[in-house]
Amino acid sequence: DGGITQSPKYLFRKEGQNVTLSCEQNLNHDAMYWYRQDPGQGLRLIYYSQIVNDFQKGDIAEGYSVSREKKESFPLTVTSAQKNPTAFYLCASRTVNTGELFFGEGSRLTVL
Amino acid sequence: DQQVKQNSPSLSVQEGRISILNCDYTNSMFDYFLWYKKYPAEGPTFLISISSIKDKNEDGRFTVFLNKSAKHLSLHIVPSQPGDSAVYFCAVMYFSGTSYGKLTFGQGTILTVHP
Repeated sequence: DGGITQSPKYLFRKEGQNVTLSCEQNLNHDAMYWYRQDPGQGLRLIYYSQIVNDFQKGDIAEGYSVSREKKESFPLTVTSAQKNPTAFYLCASRTVNTGELFFGEGSRLTVL
Repeated sequence: DQQVKQNSPSLSVQEGRISILNCDYTNSMFDYFLWYKKYPAEGPTFLISISSIKDKNEDGRFTVFLNKSAKHLSLHIVPSQPGDSAVYFCAVMYFSGTSYGKLTFGQGTILTVHP
């Protein structure tokens, strides 16, 4: 089955620790995205990548980092510099010629 | 500066009646518009879209209307069902000539359909 897999689904972290969220897709999509969802704020774009080995900052990139070494994979690292990391993180992908984004199931990060 | 606004945080509707969800955008360059539905602790799923060359698009119980002059988008669900209860996000983007740009989302509207 084609789709987007995010892991882990739930993650707890102590303050000051970095954590990496995994996103893998087997849809052969060129572009991949990371969004963050907070109550009442919709989905905000963190980083996106339209091609392997290239990525751009979104609207709220501070405190996050990404890599795109393979077409299928777009991991997100939440660093200790992110002031308010507790949130629901969503990975998405699409082909560059279509508008529709396909989303993963999300990862909920809680900082203790 | 919010480019996409869903001014109603929540909407409550009786089963069988019409649900109307609204969305306003600020940039006239946006030319592709989408609606997503989201259940708690799950990723959003695509519902319906419309390009700027149209003013209406239908898919079963779901119809999206676009008013470009007013920069306004709406989603009509008829008839509403309890399973439609979810958060609905509108999203906008523009086509650069070679590819679509990033998707910008509204804040979401929580729809509750009562039996």
